Amino acid sequence: DGGITQSPKYLFRKEGQNVTLSCEQNLNHDAMYWYRQDPGQGLRLIYYSQIVNDFQKGDIAEGYSVSREKKESFPLTVTSAQKNPTAFYLCASSYTNQPQHFGDGTRLSIL
Amino acid sequence: GDSVTQMEGPVTLSEEAFLTINCTYTATGYPSLFWYVQYPGEGLQLLLKATKADDKGSNKGFEATYRKETTSFHLEKGSVQVSDSAVYFCALISNQAGTALIFGKGTTLSVSS
Repeated sequence: DGGITQSPKYLFRKEGQNVTLSCEQNLNHDAMYWYRQDPGQGLRLIYYSQIVNDFQKGDIAEGYSVSREKKESFPLTVTSAQKNPTAFYLCASSYTNQPQHFGDGTRLSIL
Repeated sequence: GDSVTQMEGPVTLSEEAFLTINCTYTATGYPSLFWYVQYPGEGLQLLLKATKADDKGSNKGFEATYRKETTSFHLEKGSVQVSDSAVYFCALISNQAGTALIFGKGTTLSVSS
């Protein structure tokens, strides 16, 4: 079945550590996105990519980095510069100007 | 910039009650509008969409009509079920950020039997 796979489902970060969240899609979508979800704040866009080897910052890109080396993959790194990383992270993908499909999310917590 | 405002929750209803969740938007041009639903611990699922004025999106008994004159896209269901308990997000596609969605803050619906 086609879909979006995020891993791991739960992730813990130590102080000063970078962690990488995986997102893979087999829907042949051109565009991929990362959102952060905090209670009572809805979803906020971190980064998005409309084609391979290109990506743009969203509203809250500070402390995060991404890469898009393959069409199917859009990993997100939460760096030590992100001082409040505890959140639910959602990856999505879509064809251009079409609704986005979402993965099941990764919950990141601080040890 | 573009934005979405939806009614704050939580919304608590009894089974078979009528549901309305209000959503209004601010956008330049003619955005496409969406309702997504999120069940506990899961990602978001597209519930319905409308791409132009007066379009009505519908799915699983839910409906929403794109009202350009009032810049609204209210979600309605005539008879809710316990299984409808979830968080509902109104969203639009922003012209400013390519095809990235802009979301409202979400409305939590709790339905009791």
